[in-house]
Amino acid sequence: RKEVEQDPGPFNVPEGATVAFNCTYSNSASQSFFWYRQDCRKEPKLLMSVYSSGNEDGRFTAQLNRASQYISLLIRDSKLSDSATYLCVVNYGGTSYGKLTFGQGTILTVHP
Amino acid sequence: ETGVTQSPTHLIKTRGQQVTLRCSSQSGHNTVSWYQQALGQGPQFIFQYYREEENGRGNFPPRFSGLQFPNYSSELNVNALELDDSALYLCASSLDELPGSGELFFGEGSRLTVL
Repeated sequence: RKEVEQDPGPFNVPEGATVAFNCTYSNSASQSFFWYRQDCRKEPKLLMSVYSSGNEDGRFTAQLNRASQYISLLIRDSKLSDSATYLCVVNYGGTSYGKLTFGQGTILTVHP
Repeated sequence: ETGVTQSPTHLIKTRGQQVTLRCSSQSGHNTVSWYQQALGQGPQFIFQYYREEENGRGNFPPRFSGLQFPNYSSELNVNALELDDSALYLCASSLDELPGSGELFFGEGSRLTVL
């Protein structure tokens, strides 16, 4: 079983749609959680951190369920510029403090 | 731009050869991490260098090695290249092992093709 699993998609949605991505992680000792965004043939960039209480940044909402070891990202009112791969990322802390574990990514295409 | 630069951007090697990839970290950052990203996959952690010492290693064989220099730039060396080493190699810099924000600043990567 992969340490971080995501539905690879692809998700094809029209502009203005709401889309949700899910992610599960296997290590219950995981300490911090993030969503990164990667544009085609570009480097990953931090989109947002994910907090236990859930958090929102504009059109983006992230949720964490530690009991179910589940993370989600909701994008409202999708824009063409949201087309990218969204990577779910987990940090286990401890001796793995500096290591980020990435899911395989979920591809999103927003069309006119 | 993140301020992290990698070279070369693209290269082609044959099986059994050796390769060196280079990374200049963002100004003020003392930590460099290397990741391998195969096509269609997320980045996988290779190792991290903090103040010139290896500070954590992923599930990669010893033929993957690295260095960090006093100016915090870094090299990734891969010996005895195999076809499966074909991937995008990403360098990321940060201030200290992992900043509280979880933000790593990645370079644009070196795309290695092994024939």
